[in-house]
Amino acid sequence: DAGVTQSPTHLIKTRGQHVTLRCSPISGHKSVSWYQQVLGQGPQFIFQYYEKEERGRGNFPDRFSARQFPNYSSELNVNALLLGDSALYLCASSQGLALTYEQYFGPGTRLTVT
Amino acid sequence: AQSVTQLGSHVSVSEGALVLLRCNYSSSVPPYLFWYVQYPNQGLQLLLKYTTGATLVKGINGFEAEFKKSETSFHLTKPSAHMSDAAEYFCAVSAGDTGRRALTFGSGTRLQVQP
Repeated sequence: DAGVTQSPTHLIKTRGQHVTLRCSPISGHKSVSWYQQVLGQGPQFIFQYYEKEERGRGNFPDRFSARQFPNYSSELNVNALLLGDSALYLCASSQGLALTYEQYFGPGTRLTVT
Repeated sequence: AQSVTQLGSHVSVSEGALVLLRCNYSSSVPPYLFWYVQYPNQGLQLLLKYTTGATLVKGINGFEAEFKKSETSFHLTKPSAHMSDAAEYFCAVSAGDTGRRALTFGSGTRLQVQP
């Protein structure tokens, strides 16, 4: 079975631009979470979606938004990019909401803002 | 709020030596605790987790960790290091304020294994 896939792998954007990152969960998984990993730090929780509804949000500005589609794939959108948004963005999928379900992480999208 | 402190951003051991990676947590509710490994240019892979029950948890690749409530610790150990263990290791705790749905990660420990 395919694991969590993310696209694109890398991208470079300019300050002030908008970016959309995409995530496809493992087949049968209904929950998708997004994390931001700045170089040299641990991942930070951004959002969790389950059954197309937002179920959790981390301490990120409103420039960050996400959605989940009927096929459970997800998009993370970031508006008005700042240099500090440069990071590895990780998507994780799981069967359900509770952390007793293992979260499977994708390889990430490396975003560079110049 | 939850937090995790990983002592030592870099740990170097010889092949065959004991691996000990330290993690201390803070949680206002009974924690769920996790260790993840990240290889270069890859996502995170779950090594092991503690939710309830037995405090000594065994994971993949010969790793284990012990939940010690009195010390608020969840240190990761492996009796004998292998070259393939070289990677970044992250300790994480569930975030109680979001209903155990999100993970709060430490800053990571990079493990080097010397031949």
